[in-house]
Amino acid sequence: GDSVTQMEGPVTLSEEAFLTINCTYTATGYPSLFWYVQYPGEGLQLLLKATKADDKGSNKGFEATYRKETTSFHLEKGSVQVSDSAVYFCALLPKSSGNTPLVFGKGTRLSVIA
Amino acid sequence: DAGVIQSPRHEVTEMGQEVTLRCKPISGHDYLFWYRQTMMRGLELLIYFNNNVPIDDSGMPEDRFSAKMPNASFSTLKIQPSEPRDSAVYFCASSNRPLGLFFGSGTQLSVL
Repeated sequence: GDSVTQMEGPVTLSEEAFLTINCTYTATGYPSLFWYVQYPGEGLQLLLKATKADDKGSNKGFEATYRKETTSFHLEKGSVQVSDSAVYFCALLPKSSGNTPLVFGKGTRLSVIA
Repeated sequence: DAGVIQSPRHEVTEMGQEVTLRCKPISGHDYLFWYRQTMMRGLELLIYFNNNVPIDDSGMPEDRFSAKMPNASFSTLKIQPSEPRDSAVYFCASSNRPLGLFFGSGTQLSVL
């Protein structure tokens, strides 16, 4: 079945460091891909998305590019801030016409220290 | 747009009591999902609805859990009787499928 694999956390970085959180997927066809972020005490929020190969999603300085060749959707940010500390979830939405829901990865906790 | 609204934000109850969690999805969304999040198990999909009809409840842990969606603007998740192992954060989310999920702020449930 469809699945998402994220790098294990936690990830601890100093402020202004470069961030990469790896995400790879297994799916039939070409799913839509998402990154969600969960700040402490809150629900998940959509951070960015990409719906087809080579699309780049971006928001709040974060970027991810849909790579069909490597079945990847890695999240990057050039300079992290303390306020980016959160749990990040990679997810896919199958392209099937059925009612299949989002498939989430297990999440990667990021801590940014000043 | 008010987003997905869940109530209550926090619920503390004693073992054996009935617990009802409520959710108002975003207007116009035709999918509604209930998730549970714990440190041990992460984010688990419990059940989801399409156009008010339950599609897949295979994630509901046992018969003590039930969910209803009587109309497009309201859903409940009920636990009866509650047990300490049900303590978790319960999230409701809605979607208009191509756009991805929109989550509520969650209900923090503590069963003593």
